Amino acid sequence: DTGVSQDPRHKITKRGQNVTFRCDPISEHNRLYWYRQTLGQGPEFLTYFQNEAQLEKSRLLSDRFSAERPKGSFSTLEIQRTEQGDSAMYLCASSLLPSGRGETQYFGPGTRLLVL
Amino acid sequence: GQNIDQPTEMTATEGAIVQINCTYQTSGFNGLFWYQQHAGEAPTFLSYNVLDGLEEKGRFSSFLSRSKGYSYLLLKELQMKDSASYLCAVRVRQAGTALIFGKGTTLSVSS
Repeated sequence: DTGVSQDPRHKITKRGQNVTFRCDPISEHNRLYWYRQTLGQGPEFLTYFQNEAQLEKSRLLSDRFSAERPKGSFSTLEIQRTEQGDSAMYLCASSLLPSGRGETQYFGPGTRLLVL
Repeated sequence: GQNIDQPTEMTATEGAIVQINCTYQTSGFNGLFWYQQHAGEAPTFLSYNVLDGLEEKGRFSSFLSRSKGYSYLLLKELQMKDSASYLCAVRVRQAGTALIFGKGTTLSVSS
């Protein structure tokens, strides 16, 4: 499978614990995005990387959230001191720039987080 | 602020044609995307419009009018597997390259 992959697919944790998610983008893609999606809503942008540089962060991304893409390939998203409001689907997407098709973003299957 | 509106739900029957509308109020428009999302799964790319007009791809077509801030996704010869949420997303220059998504339209196709 040459698509975007995410691990784990599901995570249940207790409030106050730290969690880390991993995303492996499509191999030649230089841009990687993180989004969060809650039930009945569209995905909301969190942050994105071009190669290893984190170029933009949403105001949704509190200090408890940190993301890395150390070698410009896979990325990790860590949430510290989880809260029940962090329960959501965390989606990763990747894209290739430059692109002739508007830099289409391709999504992974997501990590569903439940904070008890 | 940025605002994207879509109907919450639509229903249709197999073999029919359905049109899902999307209106947006954003600044610095830089392209509109449609994605399909089955329950519990990732959004999958359907179409991209950046210039006015119709883009056709098999049973799916997407239309854009930038002056009206309006797009629609047209699905022909509906199949049961088309039951899903359809997400309209806009890229705006001021938001960098991130996409701003609507809440999605849940389409139910019945036999």
